[in-house]
Amino acid sequence: RKEVEQDPGPFNVPEGATVAFNCTYSNSASQSFFWYRQDCRKEPKLLMSVYSSGNEDGRFTAQLNRASQYISLLIRDSKLSDSATYLCVAHRGSTLGRLYFGRGTQLTVWP
Amino acid sequence: EAGVTQFPSHSVIEKGQTVTLRCDPISGHDNLYWYRRVMGKEIKFLLHFVKESKQDESGMPNNRFLAERTGGTYSTLKVQPAELEDSGVYFCASSQIYPGQGGGYTFGSGTRLTVV
Repeated sequence: RKEVEQDPGPFNVPEGATVAFNCTYSNSASQSFFWYRQDCRKEPKLLMSVYSSGNEDGRFTAQLNRASQYISLLIRDSKLSDSATYLCVAHRGSTLGRLYFGRGTQLTVWP
Repeated sequence: EAGVTQFPSHSVIEKGQTVTLRCDPISGHDNLYWYRRVMGKEIKFLLHFVKESKQDESGMPNNRFLAERTGGTYSTLKVQPAELEDSGVYFCASSQIYPGQGGGYTFGSGTRLTVV
């Protein structure tokens, strides 16, 4: 079973739409979670960390449910520039720096 | 601040040849990581250096892969001899603190390796 599972999509939404991505993790030892964004043929870039209480950064809202081992990312008022692959990432919180990546969810925002 | 730099950006080699990838982390970052993405799969961890020491190399696929970080600065990842299944994008990342401490990684733009 994969450490982090994501719906691969693709999601195709019009500008201004709200879109939600889901992610589950299998190892309860995972303690820290992140959403990364990866543009086509580029490197992953940190979008935001995910906190237990939920957190918001502008149009982006991340939520974590430890009981269900479930993470989500909500994007409101989608922009063309939001088109990318969104990677759900887990870390076990030890001194080891290894990150566990999901396969990513592809988003295309059209005009 | 200069980012994480990787060389080469692309490499096409024949099966059985040797390839060496290089990564220059952000200056002052003690933690350096190698990851790989094989087509159609998720990005997977290869190994983690703290300064010049290998903290975790549990993700290295086999002994054809050798990573070094002499002097705790740049790192190299050598594949010898290369096999077809080694094709993919090799990412290097660096961080000053561990991800669990609230920070993330900064990734390089990757080396796209094709073994033919």
